[in-house]
Amino acid sequence: SQTIHQWPATLVQPVGSPLSLECTVEGTSNPNLYWYRQAAGRGLQLLFYSVGIGQISSEVPQNLSASRPQDRQFILSSKKLLLSDSGFYLCAWRDGTIEAFFGQGTRLTVV
Amino acid sequence: KQEVTQIPAALSVPEGENLVLNCSFTDSAIYNLQWFRQDPGKGLTSLLLIQSSQREQTSGRLNASLDKSSGRSTLYIAASQPGDSATYLCAVRQQTGANNLFFGTGTRLTVIP
Repeated sequence: SQTIHQWPATLVQPVGSPLSLECTVEGTSNPNLYWYRQAAGRGLQLLFYSVGIGQISSEVPQNLSASRPQDRQFILSSKKLLLSDSGFYLCAWRDGTIEAFFGQGTRLTVV
Repeated sequence: KQEVTQIPAALSVPEGENLVLNCSFTDSAIYNLQWFRQDPGKGLTSLLLIQSSQREQTSGRLNASLDKSSGRSTLYIAASQPGDSATYLCAVRQQTGANNLFFGTGTRLTVIP
Protein backbone atom coordinates (compact mmCIF):
# COMPACT_ATOMS: atom_id res chain seq x y z
CA SER A 1 0.00 0.00 0.00
CA GLN A 2 1.00 3.58 -0.51
CA THR A 3 2.25 5.69 2.38
CA ILE A 4 3.57 9.18 2.72
CA HIS A 5 6.16 10.28 5.27
CA GLN A 6 6.75 13.84 6.28
CA TRP A 7 9.26 15.13 8.83
CA PRO A 8 9.90 16.67 11.19
CA ALA A 9 6.51 16.91 12.87
CA THR A 10 7.38 20.16 14.63
CA LEU A 11 10.14 22.69 14.14
CA VAL A 12 11.08 25.96 15.82
CA GLN A 13 13.56 28.04 13.90
CA PRO A 14 14.97 31.56 14.36
CA VAL A 15 14.41 34.23 11.76
CA GLY A 16 17.11 34.12 9.09
CA SER A 17 17.92 30.45 9.56
CA PRO A 18 17.63 27.90 6.72
CA LEU A 19 14.84 25.38 6.35
CA SER A 20 14.57 21.90 4.92
CA LEU A 21 11.39 19.83 5.14
CA GLU A 22 11.31 16.42 3.55
CA CYS A 23 8.50 14.31 2.19
CA THR A 24 8.77 10.80 0.78
CA VAL A 25 6.19 8.51 -0.75
CA GLU A 26 6.25 4.74 -0.78
CA GLY A 27 4.36 2.22 -2.83
CA THR A 28 3.84 4.22 -5.99
CA SER A 29 5.78 5.48 -8.99
CA ASN A 30 5.88 8.87 -10.68
CA PRO A 31 3.39 10.52 -8.35
CA ASN A 32 2.37 14.15 -8.56
CA LEU A 33 3.72 15.77 -5.39
CA TYR A 34 2.47 18.89 -3.65
CA TRP A 35 3.47 21.23 -0.84
CA TYR A 36 0.70 23.16 0.90
CA ARG A 37 0.79 25.67 3.73
CA GLN A 38 -2.00 26.17 6.20
CA ALA A 39 -1.78 29.42 8.15
CA ALA A 40 -3.81 29.94 11.31
CA GLY A 41 -7.44 30.64 10.45
CA ARG A 42 -6.87 30.25 6.74
CA GLY A 43 -7.35 27.55 4.16
CA LEU A 44 -4.69 25.44 2.52
CA GLN A 45 -2.53 27.33 0.08
CA LEU A 46 -0.75 25.44 -2.66
CA LEU A 47 2.93 26.38 -2.69
CA PHE A 48 4.59 24.00 -5.13
CA TYR A 49 3.75 20.97 -7.20
CA SER A 50 5.85 18.55 -9.19
CA VAL A 51 4.87 16.14 -11.95
CA GLY A 52 8.31 14.53 -12.21
CA ILE A 53 11.94 14.54 -11.11
CA GLY A 54 13.42 18.03 -11.36
CA GLN A 55 10.08 19.52 -12.44
CA ILE A 56 8.83 22.14 -10.00
CA SER A 57 6.00 24.61 -10.46
CA SER A 58 5.47 27.46 -8.05
CA GLU A 59 2.02 28.76 -7.35
CA VAL A 60 2.88 31.68 -5.13
CA PRO A 61 6.01 33.88 -5.14
CA GLN A 62 7.63 33.62 -1.75
CA ASN A 63 10.68 33.01 0.33
CA LEU A 64 10.54 29.26 -0.22
CA SER A 65 11.75 26.84 -2.86
CA ALA A 66 11.15 23.18 -3.63
CA SER A 67 13.15 20.40 -5.18
CA ARG A 68 12.49 16.85 -6.32
CA PRO A 69 15.80 15.02 -6.45
CA GLN A 70 14.20 11.58 -6.67
CA ASP A 71 10.91 10.25 -7.99
CA ARG A 72 9.33 9.89 -4.56
CA GLN A 73 11.12 12.63 -2.64
CA PHE A 74 9.97 16.22 -2.35
CA ILE A 75 11.86 18.84 -0.36
CA LEU A 76 10.75 22.29 0.76
CA SER A 77 13.56 24.73 1.53
CA SER A 78 14.40 28.25 2.47
CA LYS A 79 17.74 30.01 2.71
CA LYS A 80 16.51 32.56 5.26
CA LEU A 81 13.26 32.12 7.14
CA LEU A 82 10.88 35.01 7.79
CA LEU A 83 8.36 35.31 10.60
CA SER A 84 5.62 35.05 7.99
CA ASP A 85 6.84 31.57 7.03
CA SER A 86 5.31 30.16 10.22
CA GLY A 87 2.50 27.74 9.57
CA PHE A 88 1.50 24.16 9.10
CA TYR A 89 3.10 22.57 6.04
CA LEU A 90 1.53 19.60 4.35
CA CYS A 91 2.89 17.32 1.68
CA ALA A 92 0.51 15.45 -0.61
CA TRP A 93 0.68 13.04 -3.50
CA ARG A 94 -1.49 11.83 -6.31
CA ASP A 95 -0.72 9.28 -9.00
CA GLY A 96 -2.93 8.12 -11.82
CA THR A 97 -5.80 7.78 -9.40
CA ILE A 98 -8.16 10.55 -8.69
CA GLU A 99 -7.68 10.88 -4.98
CA ALA A 100 -5.14 12.98 -3.09
CA PHE A 101 -3.38 11.73 0.02
CA PHE A 102 -1.71 13.87 2.64
CA GLY A 103 1.14 13.52 5.11
CA GLN A 104 0.80 14.31 8.79
CA GLY A 105 2.21 17.80 8.43
CA THR A 106 5.01 19.88 9.94
CA ARG A 107 4.27 22.67 12.38
CA LEU A 108 6.87 25.39 11.71
CA THR A 109 7.27 28.26 14.14
CA VAL A 110 9.70 30.99 13.20
CA VAL A 111 10.80 33.02 16.22
CA LYS B 1 -9.66 31.70 -10.24
CA GLN B 2 -11.51 29.01 -8.34
CA GLU B 3 -12.81 30.01 -4.93
CA VAL B 4 -14.15 27.51 -2.44
CA THR B 5 -16.29 28.58 0.48
CA GLN B 6 -17.46 26.54 3.44
CA ILE B 7 -20.33 27.48 5.69
CA PRO B 8 -20.57 27.51 8.65
CA ALA B 9 -17.02 28.15 9.83
CA ALA B 10 -17.80 26.44 13.12
CA LEU B 11 -20.60 24.24 14.37
CA SER B 12 -21.45 22.71 17.74
CA VAL B 13 -24.08 20.02 18.04
CA PRO B 14 -25.17 17.58 20.74
CA GLU B 15 -24.28 13.95 20.27
CA GLY B 16 -26.72 11.99 18.14
CA GLU B 17 -27.80 14.86 15.96
CA ASN B 18 -27.71 14.73 12.19
CA LEU B 19 -25.89 17.62 10.56
CA VAL B 20 -25.02 19.12 7.19
CA LEU B 21 -21.85 20.91 6.17
CA ASN B 22 -21.89 23.09 3.09
CA CYS B 23 -19.31 23.76 0.41
CA SER B 24 -19.64 26.04 -2.62
CA PHE B 25 -17.28 26.71 -5.50
CA THR B 26 -17.25 29.36 -8.21
CA ASP B 27 -15.92 27.46 -11.24
CA SER B 28 -17.90 24.38 -12.22
CA ALA B 29 -15.14 23.03 -14.50
CA ILE B 30 -14.02 20.42 -12.01
CA TYR B 31 -12.96 16.79 -12.21
CA ASN B 32 -14.08 15.91 -8.73
CA LEU B 33 -14.71 17.14 -5.23
CA GLN B 34 -13.13 15.63 -2.15
CA TRP B 35 -14.08 15.92 1.51
CA PHE B 36 -11.33 15.66 4.12
CA ARG B 37 -11.17 15.51 7.87
CA GLN B 38 -8.39 17.21 9.83
CA ASP B 39 -7.79 16.63 13.51
CA PRO B 40 -5.91 19.38 15.42
CA GLY B 41 -2.26 19.48 14.46
CA LYS B 42 -2.62 16.57 12.07
CA GLY B 43 -2.69 15.98 8.35
CA LEU B 44 -5.75 15.47 6.20
CA THR B 45 -7.68 12.23 5.97
CA SER B 46 -9.75 11.67 2.87
CA LEU B 47 -13.39 10.89 3.63
CA LEU B 48 -15.23 10.87 0.35
CA LEU B 49 -14.55 11.70 -3.27
CA ILE B 50 -17.27 12.52 -5.79
CA GLN B 51 -16.55 12.50 -9.48
CA SER B 52 -18.01 15.38 -11.49
CA SER B 53 -20.41 12.95 -13.15
CA GLN B 54 -21.72 11.66 -9.83
CA ARG B 55 -24.42 13.06 -7.60
CA GLU B 56 -23.47 11.51 -4.28
CA GLN B 57 -21.19 9.15 -2.41
CA THR B 58 -21.75 7.33 0.85
CA SER B 59 -19.43 5.86 3.42
CA GLY B 60 -20.92 4.64 6.67
CA ARG B 61 -22.61 7.56 8.41
CA LEU B 62 -21.30 10.02 5.85
CA ASN B 63 -23.05 11.06 2.67
CA ALA B 64 -21.70 13.65 0.28
CA SER B 65 -23.69 15.20 -2.54
CA LEU B 66 -22.59 17.25 -5.51
CA ASP B 67 -24.53 19.68 -7.67
CA LYS B 68 -21.88 20.67 -10.14
CA SER B 69 -23.99 23.10 -12.15
CA SER B 70 -24.82 25.19 -9.10
CA GLY B 71 -21.36 24.82 -7.59
CA ARG B 72 -22.44 23.18 -4.37
CA SER B 73 -21.67 20.15 -2.26
CA THR B 74 -22.94 19.00 1.11
CA LEU B 75 -21.55 16.56 3.63
CA TYR B 76 -24.22 14.89 5.71
CA ILE B 77 -23.20 13.25 8.97
CA ALA B 78 -25.80 11.01 10.58
CA ALA B 79 -26.05 10.30 14.29
CA SER B 80 -23.04 12.43 15.19
CA GLN B 81 -20.54 11.20 17.79
CA PRO B 82 -17.91 13.02 19.88
CA GLY B 83 -15.26 11.30 17.76
CA ASP B 84 -16.57 13.19 14.74
CA SER B 85 -15.22 16.41 16.24
CA ALA B 86 -12.66 17.79 13.78
CA THR B 87 -12.30 20.30 10.99
CA TYR B 88 -13.90 19.25 7.72
CA LEU B 89 -12.44 20.54 4.47
CA CYS B 90 -13.76 20.32 0.97
CA ALA B 91 -11.55 20.60 -2.09
CA VAL B 92 -12.23 20.68 -5.81
CA ARG B 93 -9.88 19.47 -8.52
CA GLN B 94 -9.76 21.79 -11.49
CA GLN B 95 -10.02 20.56 -15.06
CA THR B 96 -7.64 23.27 -16.19
CA GLY B 97 -3.98 23.86 -15.48
CA ALA B 98 -2.24 21.21 -13.44
CA ASN B 99 -5.50 19.80 -12.11
CA ASN B 100 -4.65 21.09 -8.68
CA LEU B 101 -6.85 21.03 -5.62
CA PHE B 102 -8.49 24.18 -4.33
CA PHE B 103 -9.51 24.07 -0.68
CA GLY B 104 -12.15 25.75 1.39
CA THR B 105 -11.25 27.16 4.82
CA GLY B 106 -13.09 24.37 6.58
CA THR B 107 -15.85 23.87 9.11
CA ARG B 108 -14.79 23.16 12.67
CA LEU B 109 -17.24 20.66 14.13
CA THR B 110 -17.65 20.00 17.83
CA VAL B 111 -19.95 17.19 18.93
CA ILE B 112 -20.89 17.59 22.56
CA PRO B 113 -21.35 14.38 24.59
